[in-house]
Amino acid sequence: GDSVTQMEGPVTLSEEAFLTINCTYTATGYPSLFWYVQYPGEGLQLLLKATKADDKGSNKGFEATYRKETTSFHLEKGSVQVSDSAVYFCALSTGNNNDMRFGAGTRLTVKP
Amino acid sequence: DTAVSQTPKYLVTQMGNDKSIKCEQNLGHDTMYWYKQDSKKFLKIMFSYNNKELIINETVPNRFSPKSPDKAHLNLHINSLELGDSAVYFCASSHVGNQETQYFGPGTRLLVL
Repeated sequence: GDSVTQMEGPVTLSEEAFLTINCTYTATGYPSLFWYVQYPGEGLQLLLKATKADDKGSNKGFEATYRKETTSFHLEKGSVQVSDSAVYFCALSTGNNNDMRFGAGTRLTVKP
Repeated sequence: DTAVSQTPKYLVTQMGNDKSIKCEQNLGHDTMYWYKQDSKKFLKIMFSYNNKELIINETVPNRFSPKSPDKAHLNLHINSLELGDSAVYFCASSHVGNQETQYFGPGTRLLVL
């Protein structure tokens, strides 16, 4: 079935470091891809999304490009801040039966 | 104004009890969901409701039953609670034509002793 695999955490970075969180997917159709963020004590918030191959989603300095050839949707940010500390979830949806699949989540801690 | 709200925020209870978690959305969405997030932060969908009809139901024990009195509410009832039910439960909602973009509630932390 459809699934998402993302790099295991936790990830600890210093402020202003470059961030990459890897995400790869398996899907029978043509999924839409998402990154959600969960700040401490809060629910998930949509961070960015891409609906077709080669699309780039971006928000708050984060970017991810839908790579069909490598079935990947890696999350990147050029310069992280302490306020970016959160758990990041990669997800996919094929639009069938409202089915959205989430990865296991990657905890990011940014230190001053 | 909170878009998706859940009550209670925290719930501590004994094994064997029956409990309910309430969810309400004021976004006018027609599809609502329940997710379970375990201790390792893995998020797994449990149910979704579209116009009062159950759309998907993952391999969830029948002790869990969603109840939707109207389009704005999807409550989660759990019978005979077990230790393994301890988790954070998230409610979410979306438009049926845009089910890929879901809005999440703040979560309910359930601890079964």
